[in-house]
Amino acid sequence: SQTIHQWPATLVQPVGSPLSLECTVEGTSNPNLYWYRQAAGRGLQLLFYSIGIDQISSEVPQNLSASRPQDRQFILSSKKLLLSDSGFYLCAWSVWGKNEQFFGPGTRLTVL
Amino acid sequence: AQSVAQPEDQVNVAEGNPLTVKCTYSVSGNPYLFWYVQYPNRGLQFLLKYITGDNLVKGSYGFEAEFNKSQTSFHLKKPSALVSDSALYFCAVSGDRDSNYQLIWGAGTKLIIKP
Repeated sequence: SQTIHQWPATLVQPVGSPLSLECTVEGTSNPNLYWYRQAAGRGLQLLFYSIGIDQISSEVPQNLSASRPQDRQFILSSKKLLLSDSGFYLCAWSVWGKNEQFFGPGTRLTVL
Repeated sequence: AQSVAQPEDQVNVAEGNPLTVKCTYSVSGNPYLFWYVQYPNRGLQFLLKYITGDNLVKGSYGFEAEFNKSQTSFHLKKPSALVSDSALYFCAVSGDRDSNYQLIWGAGTKLIIKP
């Protein structure tokens, strides 16, 4: 069966510090991968999606970036965090041609 | 362009009463529709989906949703609410091949079940 992992679960970082959030998927090959941000427990904002290694699309211009060094690994990064980067970050995967997405447990990021 | 709307920020229901969480959509072609639930500080969990076929779709935890093409709606329902159903509920519609089948999300509806 497929599983998706995210770490860390929670993170508190000072403004201006770097960020690296990791997401890995097990039990499937060549998944579509997604990074979402959720502010204040409400709507989802799609940040990045990837249909393959080194194929990453950015949905929102910002100080965040994403990389996919391996087929089932998706990393969200920043060189310098802003206060507005605080939120709940969710990783998800899907099978190409299928619509249903499966979500990881999320990372709660607080920027102080 | 595809879009989905959840007109209610919050729905309050007494335990044991039926519940409805509303969702309307706009999509060209045939819609693929989804409901997800999110408990506090957790990822989203899939509840049910409509692809084709029977307009009444049954899902997890006793939830069901009715696809209504003429009203472009996909409301989530449950005959008898439980306190444990309190959570944030998201409706989503799938984009087409040109959008890589991405999901377009509603803003979410907070469901509060009072004992």
